Amino acid sequence: NAGVTQTPKFRVLKTGQSMTLLCAQDMNHEYMYWYRQDPGMGLRLIHYSVGEGTTAKGEVPDGYNVSRLKKQNFLLGLESAAPSQTSVYFCASRPTPGLAAPGSSYNEQFFGPGTRLTVL
Amino acid sequence: KNEVEQSPQNLTAQEGEFITINCSYSVGISALHWLQQHPGGGIVSLFMLSSGKKKHGRLIATINIQEKHSSLHITASHPRDSAVYICAVRYNYGGSQGNLIFGKGTKLSVKP
Repeated sequence: NAGVTQTPKFRVLKTGQSMTLLCAQDMNHEYMYWYRQDPGMGLRLIHYSVGEGTTAKGEVPDGYNVSRLKKQNFLLGLESAAPSQTSVYFCASRPTPGLAAPGSSYNEQFFGPGTRLTVL
Repeated sequence: KNEVEQSPQNLTAQEGEFITINCSYSVGISALHWLQQHPGGGIVSLFMLSSGKKKHGRLIATINIQEKHSSLHITASHPRDSAVYICAVRYNYGGSQGNLIFGKGTKLSVKP
């Protein structure tokens, strides 16, 4: 299993440009998350999804949109990038409560390798 | 607001030293996670606790539910332990779907 993968690993945008970050997981997890990590701050939740076709806002959703058209993919979109969105973005997934694989736990969360985004 | 506080923010140790990183939280939780993040790297889960104590190699994690406090210990520290250690909790309250709340991390540097 590849686990959680993110595309791209690095990206530089100009203010006002748009882009989409892709997160994919091959563990059949229902829950998926997008976080951002900024210096001096803990990881903050942008949006999350509890299953295919569902999305919900997290702590810092403004300026971002998400889609979960397929269970294995969770896309994060920036329609008009701003310098304040310069950050490292992490995707994560976890099993549905009660449906974790043997030896695992529904509380365990798996993280992708991160995407470093710079907006000039 | 539910918060997760970690201490210290930064920690420098000599190789071989015993290290303790602390985490405190404000209300009842369903689980507490300790995560490790290497420079330029991703985030990996070290432990997930809901009670008691867990051990993996030189790492030990404990949690005191009554005191709302957890500690991560590293015995016989090594330069390869240098990383940011992050505490995260999963609160149980309505409407949150049990999302994780993260501490700001403790940056550990182990000198040879």
